Amino acid sequence: GQNIDQPTEMTATEGAIVQINCTYQTSGFNGLFWYQQHAGEAPTFLSYNVLDGLEEKGRFSSFLSRSKGYSYLLLKELQMKDSASYLCAVFYNTDKLIFGTGTRLQVFP
Amino acid sequence: DGGITQSPKYLFRKEGQNVTLSCEQNLNHDAMYWYRQDPGQGLRLIYYSQIVNDFQKGDIAEGYSVSREKKESFPLTVTSAQKNPTAFYLCASSPPGLAGEGEQFFGPGTRLTVL
Repeated sequence: GQNIDQPTEMTATEGAIVQINCTYQTSGFNGLFWYQQHAGEAPTFLSYNVLDGLEEKGRFSSFLSRSKGYSYLLLKELQMKDSASYLCAVFYNTDKLIFGTGTRLQVFP
Repeated sequence: DGGITQSPKYLFRKEGQNVTLSCEQNLNHDAMYWYRQDPGQGLRLIYYSQIVNDFQKGDIAEGYSVSREKKESFPLTVTSAQKNPTAFYLCASSPPGLAGEGEQFFGPGTRLTVL
C-alpha cells in the first residue's frame, strides 16, 4: 500500500531554521511535492523533487533520498507568515498524488 | 486571469439532500481532481479525470459522483449515500506533461456542512 508519514506539529522561533521530515512507502514513485497550506485555504506549491539531492528556492529547500524513502523541507529565516501546514505528497503511477497528513508549523516571535 | 474557481466557498445542506460542488478552470489543463480534507488529516482523493468524458475513482469514491462533459468543468455531487459529508472539498487540475511532472493547482475550496 501507499503510506506517507510526517510529524503532526512543530514549533519554531522567528528567524530560526526548521526541518520538516517526510518518509514514504509507495510503489510507482515518480516524484515528491511539498505544499504549503494556510488554515482554510488551498495548498500552494513549494517544491518538487524527482532526483536525489537538494533543491534550493530562496528561503525554502527540499531534499530527497529515493533509496531511503525520505524527504525533508528546510525553512530558513523563519517569518511569522510561515505559520501554516506543510504537506508532503508523492506522485505515483504517473497520474496520482497521495498526501501525508501535513505538519502544522507554528512560528513564535 | 487564469485559475481554478470553486463555488460557493461555504455551503450548508440538510441531511439526505444531494448537493453539487462546482469546479471550473481556464488553464487548459487536461487532468482534474477532487479531494476531501478533514480536520487534522491530509487530502484524500475522491475522483479524478485525465480527459473529457472519462474519470476514475480515487480512494474514497463511495457516496460521490462526478461528470466531465467539458474540459473546463468537473462538478462533484455529494449524494445522500455519503455517510459523513461535512468536510473541506478541494478541486485541482494539472497540465499534460511527462511522467513525474504532476504539479497540481488548487482551487480555493468549498466548505460543506451538512446539518
